[in-house]
Amino acid sequence: ETGVTQTPRHLVMGMTNKKSLKCEQHLGHNAMYWYKQSAKKPLELMFVYSLEERVENNSVPSRFSPECPNSSHLFLHLHTLQPEDSALYLCASSQDYWRGQIYEQYFGPGTRLTVT
Amino acid sequence: AQKVTQAQTEISVVEKEDVTLDCVYETRDTTYYLFWYKQPPSGELVFLIRRNSFDEQNEISGRYSWNFQKSTSSFNFTITASQVVDSAVYFCALSEVPTAGNNRKLIWGLGTSLAVNP
Repeated sequence: ETGVTQTPRHLVMGMTNKKSLKCEQHLGHNAMYWYKQSAKKPLELMFVYSLEERVENNSVPSRFSPECPNSSHLFLHLHTLQPEDSALYLCASSQDYWRGQIYEQYFGPGTRLTVT
Repeated sequence: AQKVTQAQTEISVVEKEDVTLDCVYETRDTTYYLFWYKQPPSGELVFLIRRNSFDEQNEISGRYSWNFQKSTSSFNFTITASQVVDSAVYFCALSEVPTAGNNRKLIWGLGTSLAVNP
């Protein structure tokens, strides 16, 4: 495997379900990101982890719970979602994440989530 | 406030035509970075270029070129001799270098959907 992988690619879940999205990066990067991409809206940054420590949490509802067990893996745990949470969830990684440097991000193919 | 505007929502061209995607940004910062990403139908965003605000030289990479004009706050992207494989959504993004106590963010445009027809 190369680059950034995400599973599953598609997920349909009811509002009372619990599910998890998985992301893995094979680039040796130290930072990982979760984004939400909805139609007709700019890409929304949800969470950032740097060396397994959460460094950004952009007012995301608590029904989204991230986990970063190591610098290669990132999870997004989902529970009691709402229909408006239906979107493409993208994972990304970058070499590092710290003030003063801007690193390009490498993205996975995303998980298309539908909440029914 | 920072803002990125990609006024062209959709563009359709015939293969081998040249096409320019516009990106206009707003920022009060003197130091910032601009990015272009490509999102093909497969979903992943692919990094194309990063440019800092002090480097106004135009960049060419194969059929791709970028025109950075600080005077008009624009960072336009041109594809020369377009191909069907160029069909994708293209995003422009702006990131400021943070001052103490602030975390930088990428401000994304809404994207331009490019369809290249055979």
